[in-house]
Amino acid sequence: NAGVTQTPKFRVLKTGQSMTLLCAQDMNHEYMYWYRQDPGMGLRLIHYSVGEGTTAKGEVPDGYNVSRLKKQNFLLGLESAAPSQTSVYFCASSSVRGQIYEQYFGPGTRLTVT
Amino acid sequence: GESVGLHLPTLSVQEGDNSIINCAYSNSASDYFIWYKQESGKGPQFIIDIRSNMDKRQGQRVTVLLNKTVKHLSLQIAATQPGDSAVYFCAERFFNKFYFGSGTKLNVKP
Repeated sequence: NAGVTQTPKFRVLKTGQSMTLLCAQDMNHEYMYWYRQDPGMGLRLIHYSVGEGTTAKGEVPDGYNVSRLKKQNFLLGLESAAPSQTSVYFCASSSVRGQIYEQYFGPGTRLTVT
Repeated sequence: GESVGLHLPTLSVQEGDNSIINCAYSNSASDYFIWYKQESGKGPQFIIDIRSNMDKRQGQRVTVLLNKTVKHLSLQIAATQPGDSAVYFCAERFFNKFYFGSGTKLNVKP
């Protein structure tokens, strides 16, 4: 049981390049989330999904796209990377037990855009 | 968007003392709150949660208090240990979205 895994752990991009971050969870959770964390700040929600085939915008969705083709995977795409997207990206998943939404986080992906 | 703020960016306590970390949230319609602990280089780790219809919830060495009147949340850690040193975040849930505060760094002095 690996929990939430993220690929890759580190990446350096040049401005304008594209990439996809992969999040996988093996806990059969319905909900999945993508956050970014900038230095000295809390996490900000980029996009989230409440089930396979569904996605929704979070607090800071511009410049990102997501897909949830399989329940266990949640992909975050950057079509044209910008230096402002330099950040640490965290994926999380959660089940819904009643009204409890405990989120399990992955180890993060550190992205640098030059 | 919503904002969740913290009163103190850093907190230093002596090992064995109790710690109290505070958080102000902005939306009275938020229905669920979580405290997370984040160690350097790692993802946030769930500590304790509380629903909006509760005032207090206790876990192992931790207690969360919710004051809806003033939109305030606090995390109490009893008998703080060196392993508690980390950054602590509160988060509020509003319509499927979670909004995080900027974090409080807890330093535990031996």
